[in-house]
Amino acid sequence: KQEVTQIPAALSVPEGENLVLNCSFTDSAIYNLQWFRQDPGKGLTSLLLIQSSQREQTSGRLNASLDKSSGRSTLYIAASQPGDSATYLCAVIASGGSYIPTFGRGTSLIVHP
Amino acid sequence: IAGITQAPTSQILAAGRRMTLRCTQDMRHNAMYWYRQDLGLGLRLIHYSNTAGTTGKGEVPDGYSVSRANTDDFPLTLASAVPSQTSVYFCASKASGMSHTQYFGPGTRLTVL
Repeated sequence: KQEVTQIPAALSVPEGENLVLNCSFTDSAIYNLQWFRQDPGKGLTSLLLIQSSQREQTSGRLNASLDKSSGRSTLYIAASQPGDSATYLCAVIASGGSYIPTFGRGTSLIVHP
Repeated sequence: IAGITQAPTSQILAAGRRMTLRCTQDMRHNAMYWYRQDLGLGLRLIHYSNTAGTTGKGEVPDGYSVSRANTDDFPLTLASAVPSQTSVYFCASKASGMSHTQYFGPGTRLTVL
C-alpha cells in the first residue's frame, strides 16, 4: 500500500526566505505526483503536476522536483510571501492500479511579515 | 462558471438522520471522488467513480454510499449519520489520463450531533 509522508508538518518562516517542502512515498511505481495548496476553510488547488518521466516542473516562484528512485519530491518556494501561507499537500498516483491519488497529510506554512 | 459545486456548504444533522451531499461538475470529467478531511488524519478517500455508471470503494467507505447516474453528478449519501461522520467533505473530479490534475470543490462541513 502506497504511503505518502510530508515533512515538516508545520513551518514558520519570515518573509523573503527560500524554503523547501518535502514529500516521500513508499512505492516508486507511480504515474505522477501533484502538489496542492489548501487555504483555511477552502478546497485544494493544484499547483504543479509532475509526470513519472519528468524530473521537475516550474510555475512562477514554485519549483517541484521528482526523484522516483528514492521516492521523494520537493517543492521549492522562492522569496516567500505572506500570501504563500497555506497548507501544502502532495499526492501520488500509483501505476498498475485504479489511478486513485494517495495524499500526504500536508505541511502547514506560515510566512510572517 | 466552470468547476465543481457542492451543496450544502455546511449542515448540522441529528444522529440517525439520512443526508445526501451533492456534487456537480461541468467540466465533463470522467472521474469523480469523495474525500473526508479530519484534523490529524488528512484526506481520506470514501468512494470514487472512474466513469458514469461505475463506482468503487475507497479507504473509508463504511456508512456511505454513492451513485453515478450521469457524468456531472456524484451524490454522497449517509444512510444513518453517526457523530464520527462529523468532518469536512470534499468532492473532486479529473479528466481521463495521467497528465490531468484533480479539481476540488469548496467542501461541505458536516456536524453530526
